[in-house]
Amino acid sequence: GENVEQHPSTLSVQEGDSAVIKCTYSDSASNYFPWYKQELGKRPQLIIDIRSNVGEKKDQRIAVTLNKTAKHFSLHITETQPEDSAVYFCAASPYTGKLIFGQGTTLQVKP
Amino acid sequence: DVKVTQSSRYLVKRTGEKVFLECVQDMDHENMFWYRQDPGLGLRLIYFSYDVKMKEKGDIPEGYSVSREKKERFSLILESASTNQTSMYLCASSFTGLRSSPLHFGNGTRLTVT
Repeated sequence: GENVEQHPSTLSVQEGDSAVIKCTYSDSASNYFPWYKQELGKRPQLIIDIRSNVGEKKDQRIAVTLNKTAKHFSLHITETQPEDSAVYFCAASPYTGKLIFGQGTTLQVKP
Repeated sequence: DVKVTQSSRYLVKRTGEKVFLECVQDMDHENMFWYRQDPGLGLRLIYFSYDVKMKEKGDIPEGYSVSREKKERFSLILESASTNQTSMYLCASSFTGLRSSPLHFGNGTRLTVT
């Protein structure tokens, strides 16, 4: 079955710096790759997603890139702010409906 | 806005008890999921259901079963709770279409088995 590896497990940056989180997946049939943000004590919420027919997608300060050949995708956050501090999860969908998640990255943005 | 409601926020049970975790969604979603969240392990899929009375095992189904008698409700059952099932349990739902769609999560149930 699909396996998703996420790195790093923790990431600490200064406010204003960029943060990059990387994920690799194993099933070449996966075609949907969402990213979720989970603040302390709250539910995971979708922040951005990308489908396999697109190489890059941006939404203000966040962007996601996808390399289908290498089977990896990344989340980029620019101009980080303290409110970006949270746990971020990547996921891959090997077929319609099913989502397999990575292990999560705890991002700390220091003011 | 999609609402996924889990019946309990915190639950404490004893080893060997039968435990029911309930989840209800109000958006007529076909897909419903149960995940378990543990530090360093991310969100691991226990079971999911793509229609009433339909279910499919996820990556860690051992020790769990599920029930989906109505479209809006998906129950996770621990037949005989064990201490290694102490965890945060997250329910989610999504729309079924030609393509995968985002999951909408509940607030989670933190289960402690003593």
